[in-house]
Amino acid sequence: AQTVTQSQPEMSVQEAETVTLSCTYDTSESDYYLFWYKQPPSRQMILVIRQEAYKQQNATENRFSVNFQKAAKSFSLKISDSQLGDAAMYFCAYMQGGSEKLVFGKGMKLTVNP
Amino acid sequence: AAGVIQSPRHLIKEKRETATLKCYPIPRHDTVYWYQQGPGQDPQFLISFYEKMQSDKGSIPDRFSAQQFSDYHSELNMSSLELGDSALYFCASSLDSTSTDTQYFGPGTRLTVL
Repeated sequence: AQTVTQSQPEMSVQEAETVTLSCTYDTSESDYYLFWYKQPPSRQMILVIRQEAYKQQNATENRFSVNFQKAAKSFSLKISDSQLGDAAMYFCAYMQGGSEKLVFGKGMKLTVNP
Repeated sequence: AAGVIQSPRHLIKEKRETATLKCYPIPRHDTVYWYQQGPGQDPQFLISFYEKMQSDKGSIPDRFSAQQFSDYHSELNMSSLELGDSALYFCASSLDSTSTDTQYFGPGTRLTVL
């Protein structure tokens, strides 16, 4: 079974600085997708970014970018110019190609200090 | 842009009662997914439907059932409720399950079982 590991339960960053959230996963499949979701105090699950495993280029969405290392099975999220609104739980998630199920990591709480 | 709608947002039930949670996907989305997130936990996949047919099943208790209707909305029926069923229940939708499309989450229904 596929597993997703977020080894850091909590991190903090100063406003306007950059922070990197780590995620590793375990799979024997070659066709899969990786996601970062954000869950602010409202508990809404918000998609941050998505990466297809077959794409070598790292995904980028404004201030959010990923470092996808397929051989190392690593999928880290970099948040640049951190803002107070970035404070949330961040979940890394895996989906096998052809599957319908997202497998989440345990999450990481990000605090942004003014 | 229209989002996934879930109702009710909050629900309080007694043990052994039944509960029905409703989900209205984003317009034109034909696939819905249900997840359960316990306190301090990551979301766990329960079940999914594509074109009114069950398409995948996760760790859903036998006491729970779900269906998708002709207008693509979905209902999760929970019977013989237990204290451990207290959780946040998310519905998500996507445009086409065959292409491993991104899942967009609703705001969740918080179920409390007393």
